Amino acid sequence: KNEVEQSPQNLTAQEGEFITINCSYSVGISALHWLQQHPGGGIVSLFMLSSGKKKHGRLIATINIQEKHSSLHITASHPRDSAVYICALSGGGADGLTFGKGTHLIIQP
Amino acid sequence: EPEVTQTPSHQVTQMGQEVILRCVPISNHLYFYWYRQILGQKVEFLVSFYNNEISEKSEIFDDQFSVERPDGSNFTLKIRSTKLEDSAMYFCASELGRNNEQFFGPGTRLTVL
Repeated sequence: KNEVEQSPQNLTAQEGEFITINCSYSVGISALHWLQQHPGGGIVSLFMLSSGKKKHGRLIATINIQEKHSSLHITASHPRDSAVYICALSGGGADGLTFGKGTHLIIQP
Repeated sequence: EPEVTQTPSHQVTQMGQEVILRCVPISNHLYFYWYRQILGQKVEFLVSFYNNEISEKSEIFDDQFSVERPDGSNFTLKIRSTKLEDSAMYFCASELGRNNEQFFGPGTRLTVL
C-alpha cells in the first residue's frame, strides 16, 4: 500500500511569496497528481506528471522518481491561491487515486 | 469545456434510508470512480468502474454500496441502508483512459441524521 506524506500540513504566507509544497511516497507509481480543493469542496486537477517538470502559469510541479518525491511551487502567490493542495498517486497496483492529507494554504494580502 | 456533473449537491437522509447519488461523467471517458471525503479527512477511493463492471473496490465499499451505469450516461452510487458514518462528501470522477488525468465532479454532500 502506498503511503503519501505531504508537508507542510498548514502554510500561511504573504501575497507575493514563493510557495513550496512537498509530497513523498513509498512505492513506485504510474503518475503523481496535484489537485486543488477550494473551500466549497470541489476538486480541480492541476497537474499529472510521471517525470520531470510541468509549468502552468504561476504553478510549477516537479517530480523525482528515484527519490519518490514531488514538489508544487507557486510563484508570486495571491490570495486567490488560498486552497487545500492535495498530492495523489495513480498506479502502484491500485485502480483509484491514493490521496495525501493535503496542505492548507492561506495567502494573506 | 466538458465537465463531470453530480446531483444532488446536498442530500439529507435518515439513518437506514436508501440514497442514490448521481453523476454524469464526461461523455467519451471510459473509467469512472467514486471517492468520499469525511469532513476534515483525506479523500478515499471507493470504487472504480470500467466496461460496465466494477474494476476495483476498496474495503470501505461493502455490501451496502453498489454502482451502476444504467443508461450509458449516468453513473450512480447507491447506499442501501445509510449509517451515520456515511455522512461525507462523495465525489465522482471520470478518466479518458487508465492512468490519465481524472476529472472530478463538484461533489454531493451526504448528511445522515
